[in-house]
Amino acid sequence: DTAVSQTPKYLVTQMGNDKSIKCEQNLGHDTMYWYKQDSKKFLKIMFSYNNKELIINETVPNRFSPKSPDKAHLNLHINSLELGDSAVYFCASSQVRGGAEAFFGQGTRLTVV
Amino acid sequence: AQTVTQSQPEMSVQEAETVTLSCTYDTSESDYYLFWYKQPPSRQMILVIRQEAYKQQNATENRFSVNFQKAAKSFSLKISDSQLGDAAMYFCAYSGGGSEKLVFGKGTKLTVNP
Repeated sequence: DTAVSQTPKYLVTQMGNDKSIKCEQNLGHDTMYWYKQDSKKFLKIMFSYNNKELIINETVPNRFSPKSPDKAHLNLHINSLELGDSAVYFCASSQVRGGAEAFFGQGTRLTVV
Repeated sequence: AQTVTQSQPEMSVQEAETVTLSCTYDTSESDYYLFWYKQPPSRQMILVIRQEAYKQQNATENRFSVNFQKAAKSFSLKISDSQLGDAAMYFCAYSGGGSEKLVFGKGTKLTVNP
């Protein structure tokens, strides 16, 4: 069983469209994250949720809206997609304790054309 | 704000040799954690090794070890007996200040030559 799974793995869409990426973890973790990896491979935190509550929002445009229906799921919805949104988006989860290992999903490569 | 710097965009090593990847960080926190993550071409992020700042002993995991110099804010990764499967991007990361979020360096691409 995959610990952190994201769908889809690849997503190609046109500018202006709205799309969602889904994430599920079966590790029993309380904290989930979205990270963005740009074309230069730089990884940066976007959001963090703890037990369905948003705790980190790192100056991400309002077009990005995370939703956590329960602590095992964290979805990312993106409105009005722009070319600059093209990137790999990683979901991750961890326990709520200092220095806990983050487990990552396999990433979703989003290409906006 | 915490920052993580990896000054080597690319490194290469011969199979069976040893290579060291550099990482420095900046923080005013006293309680923090440092990590090395590996990202092979499959894109999957894999934890290689983890270090608690309050521990003086350097972490080791089989062929992987770190040289943690707290005063210098340096956290290098040594890979011994390099294998072809070690070829990947390696990211140094920091978490601390009560937050579990990871702050990543820009990564080092490691090539292993047969």
